Amino acid sequence: AQSVTQLDSQVPVFEEAPVELRCNYSSSVSVYLFWYVQYPNQGLQLLLKYLSGSTLVKGINGFEAEFNKSQTSFHLRKPSVHISDTAEYFCAVSDSSASKIIFGSGTRLSIRP
Amino acid sequence: KAGVTQTPRYLIKTRGQQVTLSCSPISGHRSVSWYQQTPGQGLQFLFEYFSETQRNKGNFPGRFSGRQFSNSRSEMNVSTLELGDSALYLCATTEGGMNTEAFFGQGTRLTVV
Repeated sequence: AQSVTQLDSQVPVFEEAPVELRCNYSSSVSVYLFWYVQYPNQGLQLLLKYLSGSTLVKGINGFEAEFNKSQTSFHLRKPSVHISDTAEYFCAVSDSSASKIIFGSGTRLSIRP
Repeated sequence: KAGVTQTPRYLIKTRGQQVTLSCSPISGHRSVSWYQQTPGQGLQFLFEYFSETQRNKGNFPGRFSGRQFSNSRSEMNVSTLELGDSALYLCATTEGGMNTEAFFGQGTRLTVV
């Protein structure tokens, strides 16, 4: 069975500060890992994905994540956040078909000016 | 090309009624998955359809059902609505193969009163 744990339900940061959103996963098979962002009253937008290859994955809007197999982690980072990054972020895992995605509970990122 | 389209965007129903939600996938996408998002339970997988057949199913009661048409459009139906069915219902579509990416619609906000 696959599962995802997002360790922080809320993360407040100041504008232009760096941020890290933490995610740990559990899976008995090869995993495909994702980070999605959800803005208020919107659907989910894919930020980045790890399927295989380089463990450092770069996504949209300046975000990146590092896949760490030994620690079963896939933390999301951004070196300098902007007010527009205020949203909820979901870490997720699935098989390669992406037809059944298991989501973490979400982390609400709030940016203070 | 057009994105994933969900209709209607908002819906208010009374307890005991039934409701049908629609999802039109991106052109060429043959897999449609449905998710329920609530503040308490987060994002949960309902079911997935591929080539008009249910391929995966989550842990929801039989009141939740779906179908897919030959043009890949999908509908989900909830019968005998309960207050706890109030949620944002999201659909996601993929091409249906491996190493693919899921694209989400903006969701249907269902309120049961």
